[in-house]
Amino acid sequence: DIQMTQSPSSLSASVGDRVTITCRASQSISSYLNWYQQKPGKAPKFLIYAASSLQSGVPSRFSGSGSGTDFTLTISSLQPEDFATFYCQQSYSSPYTFGQGTKLEIK
Amino acid sequence: QVQLQESGPGLLKPSQTLSLTCTVSGGSISSGSYYWSWIRQPAGKGLEWIGRIYTSGSTNYNPSLKSRVTISVDTSKNQFSLKLSSVTAADTAVYYCARVLAVLTLAFDIWGQGTMVTVSS
Repeated sequence: DIQMTQSPSSLSASVGDRVTITCRASQSISSYLNWYQQKPGKAPKFLIYAASSLQSGVPSRFSGSGSGTDFTLTISSLQPEDFATFYCQQSYSSPYTFGQGTKLEIK
Repeated sequence: QVQLQESGPGLLKPSQTLSLTCTVSGGSISSGSYYWSWIRQPAGKGLEWIGRIYTSGSTNYNPSLKSRVTISVDTSKNQFSLKLSSVTAADTAVYYCARVLAVLTLAFDIWGQGTMVTVSS
């Protein structure tokens, strides 16, 4: 199985901050990388696919980059509704695996 | 717009079989290039992909669960289902059904709200 490792595991930031979350794959996955946002008690929400393509309806302050083994999710200016847990997920090969999550909290 | 809703028993005893159904509304389960998938999440933990099915009936399972998992589809009812046999406490989790978008990558673009399944004697 391909292991996905996110860093940091948790992050405190303030409204208006620029934040970056990193996801590293245990082997090259080309650009087969997706990002999700999950709020407590809710299902994950699909944000970004193929490493850098923004899903329809997702605010443009979210962006993704990377290829191979190293990927990043950036939020350019944090809004109050952005505080949540973020997961990366690879679809390069089955089984499709997720990172352990990065919890973004309000400072 | 397409919505997914999980249903099924919330409490099971060890060794029983978990059976969940996902009902798709707002669109046909057979339309478009989509797979349909199950994902679970133990309380306070991360997400684990269980398996997927195409409307042709073709399936793909997580090897860690493959011996116990069956996913099936009923296009006439616009539903797909999960069966997980011989459950233990380790199978206690929120179970999500999700649509799998196959464009450039395979991504879970629409999710159900999730259903909590507890395994306890």
